[in-house]
Amino acid sequence: RKEVEQDPGPFNVPEGATVAFNCTYSNSASQSFFWYRQDCRKEPKLLMSVYSSGNEDGRFTAQLNRASQYISLLIRDSKLSDSATYLCVVNRWDDYKLSFGAGTTVTVRA
Amino acid sequence: GAVVSQHPSRVICKSGTSVKIECRSLDFQATTMFWYRQFPKQSLMLMATSNEGSKATYEQGVEKDKFLINHASLTLSTLTVTSAHPEDSSFYICSARGSGRNTGELFFGEGSRLTVL
Repeated sequence: RKEVEQDPGPFNVPEGATVAFNCTYSNSASQSFFWYRQDCRKEPKLLMSVYSSGNEDGRFTAQLNRASQYISLLIRDSKLSDSATYLCVVNRWDDYKLSFGAGTTVTVRA
Repeated sequence: GAVVSQHPSRVICKSGTSVKIECRSLDFQATTMFWYRQFPKQSLMLMATSNEGSKATYEQGVEKDKFLINHASLTLSTLTVTSAHPEDSSFYICSARGSGRNTGELFFGEGSRLTVL
């Protein structure tokens, strides 16, 4: 089983729509969680960290469910510029290595 | 914010040649750098952890003699793909983290797309 699994999508949504997707992780000892955004053929960039209590950054909301071992990302009022691949990233505390999901592709259409 | 520069961004080489990729942290000291490989539509796969002044730690299945890593200073790590073959064609990305293990954010280089003919 992969350490981090994501629905690859693609999620094709119209502008203004809300889109949400999850990521599951297998290691219950995981301590830190992040969403990165990767545009085609570019390097990943941090979108937001995911905190236990859930957190929001503008149109983006991240949630963590430790009991079920998943994190989620919700994008409200989608913009064309939100089209990208969103990578779920999990940090193990014992060796602080990051494990990446394969990414969820979101395409926002006009 | 922190910036990591990676060079070259694109390289095409003949089979059997060696290619060196540089990763520099421009405004901070990076005691640890990571090298990843990404095939199309797949996740970043960690190849090795590069520690300044010591030997790199390779992930299982990564040949250390084929992928030479040198981290001679706090701002520079290099990855050399030796005797490259077409199956080594991939997107290689470095990332850097400064001191302290509490931070989870990595700063990524721009990536190097290697094509081996």
